Amino acid sequence: GNSVTQMEGPVTLSEEAFLTINCTYTATGYPSLFWYVQYPGEGLQLLLKATKADDKGSNKGFEATYRKETTSFHLEKGSVQVSDSAVYFCALSQGNDMRFGAGTRLTVKP
Amino acid sequence: EAGVAQSPRYKIIEKRQSVAFWCNPISGHATLYWYQQILGQGPKLLIQFQNNGVVDDSQLPKDRFSAERLKGVDSTLKIQPAKLEDSAVYLCASSLLNQGNSPLHFGNGTRLTVT
Repeated sequence: GNSVTQMEGPVTLSEEAFLTINCTYTATGYPSLFWYVQYPGEGLQLLLKATKADDKGSNKGFEATYRKETTSFHLEKGSVQVSDSAVYFCALSQGNDMRFGAGTRLTVKP
Repeated sequence: EAGVAQSPRYKIIEKRQSVAFWCNPISGHATLYWYQQILGQGPKLLIQFQNNGVVDDSQLPKDRFSAERLKGVDSTLKIQPAKLEDSAVYLCASSLLNQGNSPLHFGNGTRLTVT
């Protein structure tokens, strides 16, 4: 079945550091890929998405590129801020099936 | 637009008791989901509704969990009787379409503690 594997956390960075959170997936066909973010005390919210191979999703300085050849959708940001501290979830969707990774907790220190 | 509303935010019960959670999706969203999020894990789908019909309940422990979405709007999720391993955050989400590329909108969740 479909599945998502993402980099284990926690990840701790200093402000303005470069961020990469790895995500790989297993699926038949061409799923849609998402990154969701969960800030403390809040529900998950969509950060970005890509619906086909080579698409790049971007939002709030974050980017991720749908790589079919490596079945990956790594999340990157060039310069993180303290306000980016949250848990990040990679997810895939195919038909009615939406699968989430285990989440990666990011802490950014000033 | 108003987001997905869930209540209560927190609930503490003893094992073998029953509990119910309520969700009001975003207006006009036909698809509604209930997820269970155990600490340190990603959300796991319990049940998916399309309007008031069940699309997928394959991972719902039907001996103790039940859910309904009367009139295709609000939904309730019930656990009876609760077990210790049911301690988790229960997330409700809705989406406009029942399609793979339609993003989910989540509520803030109900944190359940079973003692």
